[in-house]
Amino acid sequence: EDQVTQSPEALRLQEGESSSLNCSYTVSGLRGLFWYRQDPGKGPEFLFTLYSAGEEKEKERLKATLTKKESFLHITAPKPEDSATYLCAGQGGKLIFGQGTELSVKP
Amino acid sequence: ETGVTQSPTHLIKTRGQQVTLRCSSQSGHNTVSWYQQALGQGPQFIFQYYREEENGRGNFPPRFSGLQFPNYSSELNVNALELDDSALYLCASSLGQGGNEKLFFGSGTQLSVL
Repeated sequence: EDQVTQSPEALRLQEGESSSLNCSYTVSGLRGLFWYRQDPGKGPEFLFTLYSAGEEKEKERLKATLTKKESFLHITAPKPEDSATYLCAGQGGKLIFGQGTELSVKP
Repeated sequence: ETGVTQSPTHLIKTRGQQVTLRCSSQSGHNTVSWYQQALGQGPQFIFQYYREEENGRGNFPPRFSGLQFPNYSSELNVNALELDDSALYLCASSLGQGGNEKLFFGSGTQLSVL
């Protein structure tokens, strides 16, 4: 059965303290690995799509990487406005989301 | 460019009732997907519509049904509501049905079943 698992469930960082979020996936016929950001009371907002192992994509302080079993979202020198829930999703026959990592960045 | 809009934003129903949730796609998008998001969980795929036809369904019972209209707006209908149906219901639109397109989500409808 296709599965996407994210860790940790919650992460608290000080402003400027870099870290990584993990996404482990088992998705048959993976056609894409997605990262979304979700703010409270809003729908998820697209960040990245990764298609093959070794691929990397960057946007401001965020960098996403992909291996054959995992994806990582690296956050460099985070700011309070980066606080949100980050969702990972694997697209096989359907899009399977992980449960998310709730990131809190304190000034 | 108009984003994805959902209505209503909040809804309270009692067990056994029926509910209809509505979604307007982003301009130019022909595919709509519906997701259920329980508190503290990731979204779960309910079903997808492409050009008015159902194009994939998740593990949800038949009392969850949908429609897509010629203007690509969509409805999600849930019959015989159960307490566990309480969740945030998200609509997402995209262009095409290849399966790896990025989704544009609305802000959701928060459904509470009492």
